[in-house]
Amino acid sequence: EVQLVESGGGLVQPGGSLRLSCAASGFIFNSFWMSWVRQAPGKGLEWVANIKQDGSGKYYVDSMKGRFTISRDNAKNSLYLQMNSLRAEDTAVYYCAREAPVAILDYWGQGTLVTVSS
Amino acid sequence: DIQMTQSPSSLSASVGDRVTITCRASQSISTYLNWYQQKPGKAPKVLIYAASSLQSGVPSRFSGSGSGTDFTLTISSLQPEDFATYYCQQGYSTPGSFGQGTKVEIK
Repeated sequence: EVQLVESGGGLVQPGGSLRLSCAASGFIFNSFWMSWVRQAPGKGLEWVANIKQDGSGKYYVDSMKGRFTISRDNAKNSLYLQMNSLRAEDTAVYYCAREAPVAILDYWGQGTLVTVSS
Repeated sequence: DIQMTQSPSSLSASVGDRVTITCRASQSISTYLNWYQQKPGKAPKVLIYAASSLQSGVPSRFSGSGSGTDFTLTISSLQPEDFATYYCQQGYSTPGSFGQGTKVEIK
């Protein structure tokens, strides 16, 4: 059974940093692109970033370039999102998702809440 | 960047109704279009991929159509468990982008 379990969310002050993790199991992790998608409270879905199977390709939504870094450790079946210079508008539930061919997000984690507030 | 626009933003319907949601891309995306259903407090779930292919396990009352810039998600006979928010998402360029969502509510 495919499982994705996010962790690392919490309350952080504006300008602070946070590192999210996603532990994957039940599939061959290094065979799939992986993505982070976020959802601000009461709002829609926003794709944050994705990363190729071997980590050689990384893509970000423009508004997060330079502040967020996606990475993966295939030996640990884990996906990460390093978030720096956090702003109030980054407050959201962050989901990790497995990306099937042609950008189909076929499995999602339960999400981890990040709250940016003083 | 490719912008995705859904309509309507919300709709009210009754059990048994036929429901249609549209999604328009700001440029041609061929058939690289996926549909998701999200219920409150839950992660999204893929319903339709590649514009018209039904994801395994999804009821056949859900269908998708379209290509290029205009796409449609249809629920042929709305069931109580279908009241949710629906999102389209383009897979033509990475990372993809979502529509703003369509909330389907009980009439």
